[in-house]
Amino acid sequence: GESVGLHLPTLSVQEGDNSIINCAYSNSASDYFIWYKQESGKGPQFIIDIRSNMDKRQGQRVTVLLNKTVKHLSLQIAATQPGDSAVYFCAENPRNAGGTSYGKLTFGQGTILTVHP
Amino acid sequence: NAGVTQTPKFRILKIGQSMTLQCTQDMNHNYMYWYRQDPGMGLKLIYYSVGAGITDKGEVPNGYNVSRSTTEDFPLRLELAAPSQTSVYFCASRKPGVPEQYFGPGTRLTVT
Repeated sequence: GESVGLHLPTLSVQEGDNSIINCAYSNSASDYFIWYKQESGKGPQFIIDIRSNMDKRQGQRVTVLLNKTVKHLSLQIAATQPGDSAVYFCAENPRNAGGTSYGKLTFGQGTILTVHP
Repeated sequence: NAGVTQTPKFRILKIGQSMTLQCTQDMNHNYMYWYRQDPGMGLKLIYYSVGAGITDKGEVPNGYNVSRSTTEDFPLRLELAAPSQTSVYFCASRKPGVPEQYFGPGTRLTVT
């Protein structure tokens, strides 16, 4: 039967290239955003987060850019390695009407990254 | 630290059966969460807890119940299993004020 997974956005890169994974979010009241990596058969693994009052944050080999004007988030991975092959999810943490947030993350659908040696 | 542990890893249920998915964390985190992940999709929040004795609904709570009697444990209960509950279930925890949620390895549940 058809697998919904086949409809996930995919990105294929060569080892050593830079990768850019994009995400559109919906809630302008979200106070932070997170990128997660999920390998097959495992739980999501935290990569990096960015607060809504920032537009760029760098980690080890990764950079996250936030464009609040168009509600867009991107994850850049430098010198991509075969071990980076996984599904990447962005998630947003919306505040409630009272301005409180409890980490009730809303996840995007995900992007499959395949790195070829 | 073992982090977040979940049991069982796999389970097959018949329609109408019930079961409890177990989740334990040893990091003394106040916040705990249950998510489900359907094939090819992101995670959806079922229930969450901000501390022992306090739980609240997430985006997709129907058909599930939770309890939080201790800081460490956050079990998820399915009372009358339905095929629509076939999914992979993830438990997560975090400290207040810190965005990072630590996820368990998941429980793959099939209801037939």
